[in-house]
Amino acid sequence: DAGVIQSPRHEVTEMGQEVTLRCKPISGHDYLFWYRQTMMRGLELLIYFNNNVPIDDSGMPEDRFSAKMPNASFSTLKIQPSEPRDSAVYFCASRIGGSEKLFFGSGTQLSVL
Amino acid sequence: DAKTTQPTSMDCAEGRAANLPCNHSTISGNEYVYWYRQIHSQGPQYIIHGLKNNETNEMASLIITEDRKSSTLILPHATLRDTAVYYCIVRVPYNNNDMRFGAGTRLTVKP
Repeated sequence: DAGVIQSPRHEVTEMGQEVTLRCKPISGHDYLFWYRQTMMRGLELLIYFNNNVPIDDSGMPEDRFSAKMPNASFSTLKIQPSEPRDSAVYFCASRIGGSEKLFFGSGTQLSVL
Repeated sequence: DAKTTQPTSMDCAEGRAANLPCNHSTISGNEYVYWYRQIHSQGPQYIIHGLKNNETNEMASLIITEDRKSSTLILPHATLRDTAVYYCIVRVPYNNNDMRFGAGTRLTVKP
């Protein structure tokens, strides 16, 4: 299995631009999570899905952030418009219901200039 | 989820056992102890979890005290590749809320 796949690996954009991060979970996993990591705040849970349905989005910082999961093998996290304070590493993770092992992708390093 | 307390950083000599402590004095009866680690520039990686019995797998051992108020993750023969941030998390399993990571312990394995 290829594991959780995230793209792009690095993203550099200018303030005000739209950014879309992508994630492909491990096949058969029915939970998908988006985390953000910064030096100041550590790893923060943004949102998670179960069977493609958003369950808890209380960690999404504000309306500029949105996440979708149109099918079991694909999710996006969109920031529009982006701001410099959004610069962080964004991780996607997945797990199968009934298992407590969470599998993380390699992350997307986002820099907003 | 119960609060955990870990040392900010630790050093360990290569080839020696690394013992990483975690305090969770407010743990409740149905909460498990989980350990993850994050090697630089990678996503966190699951290591082990347990309820009250000691657990061992190919990566590490988990020792939980009888009162369950603290635990120790043991890497029996640390290598340079074990240098990472180690997170101790306490939560109810199969809860819809997911893993919430604290600051962890930065373990540096030295040659």
